[in-house]
Amino acid sequence: DSGVTQTPKHLITATGQRVTLRCSPRSGDLSVYWYQQSLDQGLQFLIQYYNGEERAKGNILERFSAQQFPDLHSELNLSSLELGDSALYFCASSVGGLSGGRTDTQYFGPGTRLTVL
Amino acid sequence: AQRVTQPEKLLSVFKGAPVELKCDYSYSGSPELFWYVQYSRQRLQLLLRHISRESIKGFTADLNKGETSFHLKKPFAQEEDSAMYYCALSGAGSYQLTFGKGTKLSVIP
Repeated sequence: DSGVTQTPKHLITATGQRVTLRCSPRSGDLSVYWYQQSLDQGLQFLIQYYNGEERAKGNILERFSAQQFPDLHSELNLSSLELGDSALYFCASSVGGLSGGRTDTQYFGPGTRLTVL
Repeated sequence: AQRVTQPEKLLSVFKGAPVELKCDYSYSGSPELFWYVQYSRQRLQLLLRHISRESIKGFTADLNKGETSFHLKKPFAQEEDSAMYYCALSGAGSYQLTFGKGTKLSVIP
């Protein structure tokens, strides 16, 4: 078990609503990453936080935002939800996150399946 | 822009046959390449990375910079190898992973 936990496992909501996905990294990991996995786009990087600060941004919509708290857990907020936001959202964590050097191994959580009706 | 292409969505092989999962990438610098695997009902996990040059569960992968490929190989497939395999790339100085769309490997007993 990698130790990364995500809640909830499943989430069903309606268009226009707002949801919050939560991620707790492995003990000792300072970096948290969010990915979206949809059938047509595959696994896409959304955003990375390192020790509370945003480190890198990928294909994250303006309707989406994230933060990492002092206890290092992270939340991904999705607002004004659309049907196309239905996907599996993964969180991953790693020890480091600073640029340069080898890329840390990222450990993935089980994912949150979001269904927008 | 960086891109990872896995041309096969599904690959079926018989037990004991050789396996090769293809991965082609596009990146202008020196990338780090990875293979991740997701077994049924389990989370995505790292299988191997090109820097380590190791063999995990009998799988190996060689980075071919000339052909910009990082194919995953195993000489004799086992039933327990059936899973979803993702090739991923990380650019220099970046921890962000760019994934391919994955190949589902099915090993037929």
